[in-house]
Amino acid sequence: GQQVMQIPQYQHVQEGEDFTTYCNSSTTLSNIQWYKQRPGGHPVFLIQLVKSGEVKKQKRLTFQFGEAKKNSSLHITATQTTDVGTYFCAGRDSNYQLIWGAGTKLIIKP
Amino acid sequence: NAGVTQTPKFRILKIGQSMTLQCTQDMNHNYMYWYRQDPGMGLKLIYYSVGAGITDKGEVPNGYNVSRSTTEDFPLRLELAAPSQTSVYFCASKVAGGYYEQYFGPGTRLTVT
Repeated sequence: GQQVMQIPQYQHVQEGEDFTTYCNSSTTLSNIQWYKQRPGGHPVFLIQLVKSGEVKKQKRLTFQFGEAKKNSSLHITATQTTDVGTYFCAGRDSNYQLIWGAGTKLIIKP
Repeated sequence: NAGVTQTPKFRILKIGQSMTLQCTQDMNHNYMYWYRQDPGMGLKLIYYSVGAGITDKGEVPNGYNVSRSTTEDFPLRLELAAPSQTSVYFCASKVAGGYYEQYFGPGTRLTVT
């Protein structure tokens, strides 16, 4: 079946370093959503991208949707301890089904 | 608004027992979903519903059943629990249409021993 591949699975960073996670689909997506799950918590919606080449920012978070609408990325500048958690992308395919990536876990090194 | 509520928060089942996980939303959302999340893994869709009286299978429906008699409630039934069903179960809801986000409940942590 259709998949959205998300990499890396884990990323360890020092506080203050940047973090990036990538999502790739084999087929064109109508839109992509990003969610954050804090440790022990539930996924919480962050943002949605709809247009080809779209870039949206939320403070230190930058979200991009590729020109072909097959890939997306989330970049966090100067990570803080409050950024710890797992970030999921979820893309909507042509059948209007939401396909979830496996998530990238952001770990801050002590 | 309470949003999406789930009960119980935690449950330990013995192999072969059955139980129902409750999910209720007060946002008048037509679409509701059940996911499971195994430790350190992503979300897998079990069942979903696009409205009262309508349900459909997701990626991993075996061992589970659902019903949707009202807009607000979407219970998930586990029959003959197995250790492979040890997981965290999340219920979610959303407005009908492709461009709306999902709202998740706090989850039910289930252990089958």
